[in-house]
Amino acid sequence: SYELTQPLSVSVALGQTATITCGGDNIGSGNVHWYQQKPGQAPILVIYRDNSRPSGIPERFSGSNSGNTATLTISRAQAEDEADYYCQVWDSSTYVFGPGAKVTVL
Amino acid sequence: QVHLVESGGGVVQPGRSLRLSCAASGFTFSTYAMHWVRQAPGKGLEWVAVIWYDGSEEYFGDSVKGRFTISRDNSKNTVHLQMNALRVEDTAVYYCAREDGCIGGGCYTGIDYWGQGTLVTVSS
Repeated sequence: SYELTQPLSVSVALGQTATITCGGDNIGSGNVHWYQQKPGQAPILVIYRDNSRPSGIPERFSGSNSGNTATLTISRAQAEDEADYYCQVWDSSTYVFGPGAKVTVL
Repeated sequence: QVHLVESGGGVVQPGRSLRLSCAASGFTFSTYAMHWVRQAPGKGLEWVAVIWYDGSEEYFGDSVKGRFTISRDNSKNTVHLQMNALRVEDTAVYYCAREDGCIGGGCYTGIDYWGQGTLVTVSS
């Protein structure tokens, strides 16, 4: 089965840029979606199809996908961006989630 | 306003069955694929199953294949997850969620709305 890898944790200073990676074999050939989840809440879609933002998601969230790595970038990180972030791909008739990365805003 | 409300969770013994339901409102239910995603306590997200907007396709995660089934009733705007032969490791919050980009053999647009989840505890 397809596996995705993410860093366990990412720290970012307030107002700086956070980069969260999602690794997978030839992940760049497919679509990657990203979700934000805060404690006790349901996930929220923040990026779909590699680099598209749903309505209502701040412009500071962006994504890219190439080769074996997809990336979620949070520019000018805010305190409210502190959360778990999951990448997701569709592969062989199943959705696969990455293990999640905890983003801490310092 | 989109609403997805799960019900049917609870405590069940290993080997028994449970049926989860999800009531949808605020959108044209019959045009969306519906997913179930679960999250064990303190763990990450695990995709469980999807059913196409018209019920024509169903796919399952490896850990539940052969034990869980998914169904929908577009006349009642509901989707169900029948869980059989439950195991302790099925303990999780189960989320109902929608996606409008499932077609052909796959899903392509991400899950844009999620319910608040219902807790299933499998324990003797």
